Amino acid sequence: SYVLTQPPSVSLAPGQTTSLTCGGNNIGSKYVHWYQQKPGQAPVLVVYTNSDRPSGVPERFSGSNSGNTATLTISRVEAGDEADYYCQVWDTDSGHVVFGGGTKLTVL
Amino acid sequence: EVQLSESGGGLVQPGGSLRLSCEASGFMFANYAMSWVRQAPGKGLEWVSVGFGSGTSSSALYADSVKGRFTVSRDNSKNTLYLQMDRLRAEDTAIYYCAKNHCSGGTCYIFDNWGQGTLVTVSS
Repeated sequence: SYVLTQPPSVSLAPGQTTSLTCGGNNIGSKYVHWYQQKPGQAPVLVVYTNSDRPSGVPERFSGSNSGNTATLTISRVEAGDEADYYCQVWDTDSGHVVFGGGTKLTVL
Repeated sequence: EVQLSESGGGLVQPGGSLRLSCEASGFMFANYAMSWVRQAPGKGLEWVSVGFGSGTSSSALYADSVKGRFTVSRDNSKNTLYLQMDRLRAEDTAIYYCAKNHCSGGTCYIFDNWGQGTLVTVSS
């Protein structure tokens, strides 16, 4: 089955820029979607089809996907961005939705 | 405004059954695929099932971990999605979220709206 790999945690100071990665075999051939989940809350879609943003999501959130790595970039990180971030794809071979293990973003 | 509200969670013994409901509003429910995603305590997200259009059986897909035990169905007249969970195991303990599927770029497995979830605990 298809596996998505995310680093467990990332920490940075407010105002910095971070790139959260999501690794998978030839993930560049798939559409990748990203979700933000704050403690005690349901996930929220922040980027879909690699680089599109739903309405209401700040332009500070951007995505890219190539080769074996997809990336969610958060510019000028704010305290309110502290959350778990999950990447997700549709695996056509298995006919399953696959989530990455998630990255916990801590804003120092 | 899209709203999704899950109900039906609770404590159940191993081997037991439970039916979850997800009531939807704010969009044309019958026109959208709907999914269930779960999250075990302190763990990540795990896709469970997707239900398409109407009815049950062939109009659904399931994760390997629940195939043969869980059944998704929907009543479009009531704007409600269901998840019938049978032969429950301790490892099914999780918050169960329903989510609305969004289509873009040729894929319809994008979850653009989520409910607040309902907790299922499988324990003796």
